Amino acid sequence: AQSVTQLGSHVSVSEGALVLLRCNYSSSVPPYLFWYVQYPNQGLQLLLKYTTGATLVKGINGFEAEFKKSETSFHLTKPSAHMSDAAEYFCAVNPLSGSARQLTFGSGTQLTVLP
Amino acid sequence: EPEVTQTPSHQVTQMGQEVILRCVPISNHLYFYWYRQILGQKVEFLVSFYNNEISEKSEIFDDQFSVERPDGSNFTLKIRSTKLEDSAMYFCASRPDSDDGYTFGSGTRLTVV
Repeated sequence: AQSVTQLGSHVSVSEGALVLLRCNYSSSVPPYLFWYVQYPNQGLQLLLKYTTGATLVKGINGFEAEFKKSETSFHLTKPSAHMSDAAEYFCAVNPLSGSARQLTFGSGTQLTVLP
Repeated sequence: EPEVTQTPSHQVTQMGQEVILRCVPISNHLYFYWYRQILGQKVEFLVSFYNNEISEKSEIFDDQFSVERPDGSNFTLKIRSTKLEDSAMYFCASRPDSDDGYTFGSGTRLTVV
């Protein structure tokens, strides 16, 4: 079974500081990987995704993530945090197996940006 | 950009009542999903639907739940007799034949009192 682990349920950074949100997955084959952001009382917005090809993927709002097969990781980064980045972030996996290919989500990381 | 539309955005119901959550997936998508997020917890898969039938369901999706695609555009989740623990945000999602094209709706917040 697929699983996704997000280390750190809460992360606080100062405005302008580096954001690093960690995601590790377990999968027998390299899956497709996604990061979603959820603002308070809102839905899930896709930040970025990795399918094939270049392992460093860029997304919206200045975020990027790097797929590292050897580490089974897909950490999300942003060089300089902005107050508007405060939200919950979910890593998700499509295992590319099974008929439904439903996403499996991590537990989420709540990002707080301090002024 | 095409959207997945969910209605209502909020619903309050009494315990034991039936509720129907509605979704309009993107028109050329083939796979449809319902997910649930209890407040403060992770997003959990409930059920997937393809070719007019359930393709997979989780252990959460028990006999109290059912899904339908009654008219080729709407995709509904019915909870027959709601319990307090059904209170959650319910997300509908759809995707085309590709494995990376998921689109989520904005969710329906269900409160059971």
